[in-house]
Amino acid sequence: AQKITQTQPGMFVQEKEAVTLDCTYDTSDQSYGLFWYKQPSSGEMIFLIYQGSYDEQNATEGRYSLNFQKARKSANLVISASQLGDSAMYFCAMREGQGAGNMLTFGGGTRLMVKP
Amino acid sequence: DSGVTQTPKHLITATGQRVTLRCSPRSGDLSVYWYQQSLDQGLQFLIQYYNGEERAKGNILERFSAQQFPDLHSELNLSSLELGDSALYFCASSVGVLTEAFFGQGTRLTVV
Repeated sequence: AQKITQTQPGMFVQEKEAVTLDCTYDTSDQSYGLFWYKQPSSGEMIFLIYQGSYDEQNATEGRYSLNFQKARKSANLVISASQLGDSAMYFCAMREGQGAGNMLTFGGGTRLMVKP
Repeated sequence: DSGVTQTPKHLITATGQRVTLRCSPRSGDLSVYWYQQSLDQGLQFLIQYYNGEERAKGNILERFSAQQFPDLHSELNLSSLELGDSALYFCASSVGVLTEAFFGQGTRLTVV
């Protein structure tokens, strides 16, 4: 079974509007971390935001916020006031606390395109 | 700048050859991870090292190997290269178990 699922392969948003990128995850661990990364066309992977499984508040970082719904196992990324520079691939990822390793497991990504 | 350094940035080589990709983690980070990103496979975890020891293995081919040295830099060796090995190879490092991992800029490998 997929551990991280991103159901939106591509999305358009109008500049200055907000957009939500969906992410659902699957784990039996109680302790885990959820992450979002941005990959612009230049290729680098840029860390955006982190949510711990025990965090009660939704994480926010500037225009990025993570809508964490633990019971539904979802960790959606909300980008407010979209900018042209937000056009990129966005990956949701998870790290689990148990097991020999704690690598990041990635979803398939969502390509966001911001329209002027 | 993530603080993770990968060299080289681009590499073009012929089938059957061997290459070495190098990664220097962020200062203080003991964990190093290698990922492969190809168009059809997405981001695939290859291998993790923690303070010089192999910690976890993912979908790493037998033709590939890695190591982490005492100064914590890591190398990924790819041998008997095939066209399908063409991909973007990332190194990432992190300080803790559940903290964020920071990625290098990647090495784009093209096998011709």
